[in-house]
Amino acid sequence: DSGVTQTPKHLITATGQRVTLRCSPRSGDLSVYWYQQSLDQGLQFLIQYYNGEERAKGNILERFSAQQFPDLHSELNLSSLELGDSALYFCASSAPPGTSYGYTFGSGTRLTVV
Amino acid sequence: EDQVTQSPEALRLQEGESSSLNCSYTVSGLRGLFWYRQDPGKGPEFLFTLYSAGEEKEKERLKATLTKKESFLHITAPKPEDSATYLCAVYNYGQNFVFGPGTRLSVLP
Repeated sequence: DSGVTQTPKHLITATGQRVTLRCSPRSGDLSVYWYQQSLDQGLQFLIQYYNGEERAKGNILERFSAQQFPDLHSELNLSSLELGDSALYFCASSAPPGTSYGYTFGSGTRLTVV
Repeated sequence: EDQVTQSPEALRLQEGESSSLNCSYTVSGLRGLFWYRQDPGKGPEFLFTLYSAGEEKEKERLKATLTKKESFLHITAPKPEDSATYLCAVYNYGQNFVFGPGTRLSVLP
């Protein structure tokens, strides 16, 4: 157990639907990052939150949004789902910059859009 | 734009056959280079951080080295349980991680 908890582990939904993925960071970590990993692509950075505020944005679609709550857990909302959104979605957390261990990743949510 | 490439894309080794994985990077300001191991369907697991050229880190059969333009992950006498995808990532002064596509390693008994 890495300390980063993601739920659900698996999600199957139909095109056009909306889903919410949840992430609880490691205790004490203030930053949360969301990544998408498709079969034919590497880890694609989506968005970062630090202590409740959006810190950086990557290649995140307008149909996707995220937020980080006061208890530091984060949710990634995916709407108007398309077949191409099927992927593994990872959440990672990190302590303040300068730490030596980089990210700690959760075990991911596998999203299948049918 | 910061970029990370890894080679080879896939590598098959016999148990005990040592080899190296390459990570080449261009980054505006390198704060650290990270190696991760990822097993199928699981999240990446941290292996090493390297901060400056000439630095080396070792863990069991793995040794990571860093130059100004690339990093190598040397695998000595690998075992089947070393089979995984190995990811390289750079951490830049914008406080962002940029991941490479990974090298898929298979070690055959």
